[in-house]
Amino acid sequence: EIVLTQSPGTLSLSPGERATLSCRASQSVSSSYLAWYQQKPGQAPRLLIYGASSRATGIPDRFSGSGSGTDFTLTISRLEPEDFAVYYCQQYGSSPRVTFGQGTKLEIK
Amino acid sequence: QVQLQQWGAGLLKPSETLSLTCAVYGGSFSGYYWSWIRQPPGKGLEWIGEINHSGSTNYNPSLKSRVTISVDTSKNQFSLKLSSVTAADTAVYYCAMERDLAAAGTQDQPAFDIWGQGTMVTVSS
Repeated sequence: EIVLTQSPGTLSLSPGERATLSCRASQSVSSSYLAWYQQKPGQAPRLLIYGASSRATGIPDRFSGSGSGTDFTLTISRLEPEDFAVYYCQQYGSSPRVTFGQGTKLEIK
Repeated sequence: QVQLQQWGAGLLKPSETLSLTCAVYGGSFSGYYWSWIRQPPGKGLEWIGEINHSGSTNYNPSLKSRVTISVDTSKNQFSLKLSSVTAADTAVYYCAMERDLAAAGTQDQPAFDIWGQGTMVTVSS
């Protein structure tokens, strides 16, 4: 099983600042099979990034993804008030076919 | 635009069987994988399993002995059954559609880009 470890667990920043969220895999993951999601309280997750670096439809360009192998990053260039939420990385592997990281909570400082 | 609408019992007693259904509206049911994902209160996301239109399934090994996912293509619906539930199965359950978002002719880039609204299931005696 491929384990995804996200860091930090909680990130406290102010609007306008840059956010850098990390996702580290226990084994190499194909970049094509790495996605990022945003989840706000009481809502279903929303797809932000697929294929490690491609933005989903309607996602602002302040969100970007990068990385390869075992280290992936989600960057939010200038935080807007609506960006404060929990973020999950997710990968497609073998068994189980899908795993998620434990999440990073992005909170207002 | 594809939409997922899910429903099912929200309160169960220990040892009962959880049963949820997800209906697909506004798009093709064939050619995709359809998943169930759950989230215990205050915790992260756990993938339960998936099915395609022909009934081919993959399950999370941690739940495999208790999970059955089935499909009804005539109704564009898929369902989850989880047997012998305990308090540890208390969670919000989501159905989700996995699509390959890659450009034609390039390597697959799958992701869950459509989600149901979620169903809170509580297991309590």
